Amino acid sequence: EPEVTQTPSHQVTQMGQEVILRCVPISNHLYFYWYRQILGQKVEFLVSFYNNEISEKSEIFDDQFSVERPDGSNFTLKIRSTKLEDSAMYFCASPLGNEQFFGPGTRLTVL
Amino acid sequence: SQQGEEDPQALSIQEGENATMNCSYKTSINNLQWYRQNSGRGLVHLILIRSNEREKHSGRLRVTLDTSKKSSSLLITASRAADTASYFCATDPRLMDSSYKLIFGSGTRLLVRP
Repeated sequence: EPEVTQTPSHQVTQMGQEVILRCVPISNHLYFYWYRQILGQKVEFLVSFYNNEISEKSEIFDDQFSVERPDGSNFTLKIRSTKLEDSAMYFCASPLGNEQFFGPGTRLTVL
Repeated sequence: SQQGEEDPQALSIQEGENATMNCSYKTSINNLQWYRQNSGRGLVHLILIRSNEREKHSGRLRVTLDTSKKSSSLLITASRAADTASYFCATDPRLMDSSYKLIFGSGTRLLVRP
């Protein structure tokens, strides 16, 4: 399976702090996705990113969230001021053909 | 039910038995994908079936798709304890201006008893 990597694997932060989650997708792909999964719940779409622009975003992806491609290979998801309810697993996904391959996730814990 | 709902929510079987999980969805789709997730871990891609396909096999996995009923099933044959995980279906809805995002179901938690 194509490898998508994410760092860190676990992030603990205080409410109100900013966090940056990082992902390295399958190389040379223009499409890129972020999803999240609150513990025990379904995986939810956050945002899609195509050719350095947001292509689509969900209602969850409010002004506290931003996504960037700081260099040619890395993507970041930033949460400006974390809330308790932001605690979740955050996955990035990279398509290969029609299939989407997910990274191992970052577990974000907001205290 | 919501787009991509699985049933049963939980399934417990004996090693060696077959496990069948079902998924229903609401909108037209481009394709449907099944994923496995071990507890607290990442999502592993299992299989994709396109909207014009009715059945697909991969090893011990068999997936069917009935677009008239908007449903899919995942069959795992000769189950093993290592198959214990949650299984999710995810649809790529056929929508205008879609970014090919996936919509996930709630998942089926499979327990295979040794």
